[in-house]
Amino acid sequence: EVQLLESGGGLVQPGGSLRLSCAASGFTFVNYGMTWVRQAPGKGLELVSSISDSGKSVYYVDSVKGRFTISRDTSKNTLYLQMNSLRAEDTAVYYCAKEGNCTPTVCYWDVFDVWGPGTMVTVSS
Amino acid sequence: SSELTQDPAVSVALGHTVRITCQGDSLRRYYVNWYQQKPGQAPVVVFYGENNRPSGIPDRFSGSSSGNTASLTITGAQAEDEADYYCSSRDSSTNHPYVFGTGTKVTVL
Repeated sequence: EVQLLESGGGLVQPGGSLRLSCAASGFTFVNYGMTWVRQAPGKGLELVSSISDSGKSVYYVDSVKGRFTISRDTSKNTLYLQMNSLRAEDTAVYYCAKEGNCTPTVCYWDVFDVWGPGTMVTVSS
Repeated sequence: SSELTQDPAVSVALGHTVRITCQGDSLRRYYVNWYQQKPGQAPVVVFYGENNRPSGIPDRFSGSSSGNTASLTITGAQAEDEADYYCSSRDSSTNHPYVFGTGTKVTVL
């Protein structure tokens, strides 16, 4: 079964740091790009950061550039999001998602076909 | 980044049909994907690409697209379909890989 499981969320003071992890299982991790999506309380979905299958290409939404770092460890099948200089507006549920759905004959890359249950990050004093 | 606009809320009588729309310039160029999110749960893809429904998703969910507008139709809505629905596509502006719609709350009466 294809699964993603986030961990590392919690309560942190403004200016603090957290590292989120996303453990992947049930698929060939190295073959897929991965993404972090967040959802502030009562709000919609926002793509935060993405990383390519090779790890060589990364993307960050403007509001987290210079503060967040996405990475992946293929030996551990794990995705990370290092979050520094946290602000109140970073408070959200953070989801990791797998990019792309492949069958034996065709791949469709532009869909987030598997999501983790999410981990809550609260930035407050 | 580009924007995808959805109606904030729609309601449908049990067993009736509801259409959820998504508008944006990126839809002229890229396929749209639709995600269902129930309270306290992660999003789940219910329709994606040109004409793809993941296994386990009922066939009452269907999608279509024309020009800058895409639609998700629920034919014969059930109580369990009450949820938030988000569209998403590639972003046609520079260096933004994907964009999400603003979301539609579907209430089944």
